[in-house]
Amino acid sequence: AQSVTQPDIHITVSEGASLELRCNYSYGATPYLFWYVQSPGQGLQLLLKYFSGDTLVQGIKGFEAEFKRSQSSFNLRKPSVHWSDAAEYFCAVALDGTNAGKSTFGDGTTLTVKP
Amino acid sequence: GAGVSQSPSNKVTEKGKDVELRCDPISGHTALYWYRQSLGQGLEFLIYFQGNSAPDKSGLPSDRFSAERTGGSVSTLTIQRTQQEDSAVYLCASSLGSRGEQYFGPGTRLTVT
Repeated sequence: AQSVTQPDIHITVSEGASLELRCNYSYGATPYLFWYVQSPGQGLQLLLKYFSGDTLVQGIKGFEAEFKRSQSSFNLRKPSVHWSDAAEYFCAVALDGTNAGKSTFGDGTTLTVKP
Repeated sequence: GAGVSQSPSNKVTEKGKDVELRCDPISGHTALYWYRQSLGQGLEFLIYFQGNSAPDKSGLPSDRFSAERTGGSVSTLTIQRTQQEDSAVYLCASSLGSRGEQYFGPGTRLTVT
C-alpha cells in the first residue's frame, strides 16, 4: 500500500522568505501526487497535482512542486511567502487519476508566517 | 454557485448513540467522497460514490459506519453505537467525475462523550 510522509510537523518562516515543504511517498509505480491547503476554519483546497509529463508543476497562489522519481519526493515550494499562506498543508498520493479521491494523505505540515 | 455543504457543523453525542452526518455536493458533480480527519492527523478515506456505480466502501473502519447517496446527490454518513474514538472531523468532497478536482465541504466536527 502507498504511504506518504511529511517529515516536518511545523515550519515557521518570515514573510517574504522562500518556502519548501517536504513530501516523500512510498509506492512502486509512478503515483499521482497532490498538495492541498487547509486554512483555519476553511475546507481543503487543491493547490496543484501531478499526473504525468513535466515534473515541475505550477499551482495556484504562486506555489509549485517538483516530482523527483529518484528521491520519491514531491516537495512544495514558494519563492516568497505571504502572511495569508499560514495554514496546514497536506501532501497526498493516489494509485491513479481515476481514483484520485482514494488518495492517501500525509499527516500535514503546519506553516506559521512571522511578520 | 454554492459549494459543498455539510450539516451539522458540530455534533456532540453520547457514547452508544447513533449519528447522521449530511453532505450536499456541488450540483452536477457525480463523484462524492467521505473522509475522517482526527486531531493532528491527515485525512483518512472512508467511502466513495461515483455515479450509479456501487460505492467503494474499502475505507470504512467498521460495520458501525455506513453511507448512502440518494438520487445521485445528497449523501448521509451514519455511525451507529458511537465510540469515543469516532470523535473527529468528517469531511465530504465532490468532483466532476472521478478525475476531477475535489471540492471539500467545511466538515462536521463530531465529539463523542
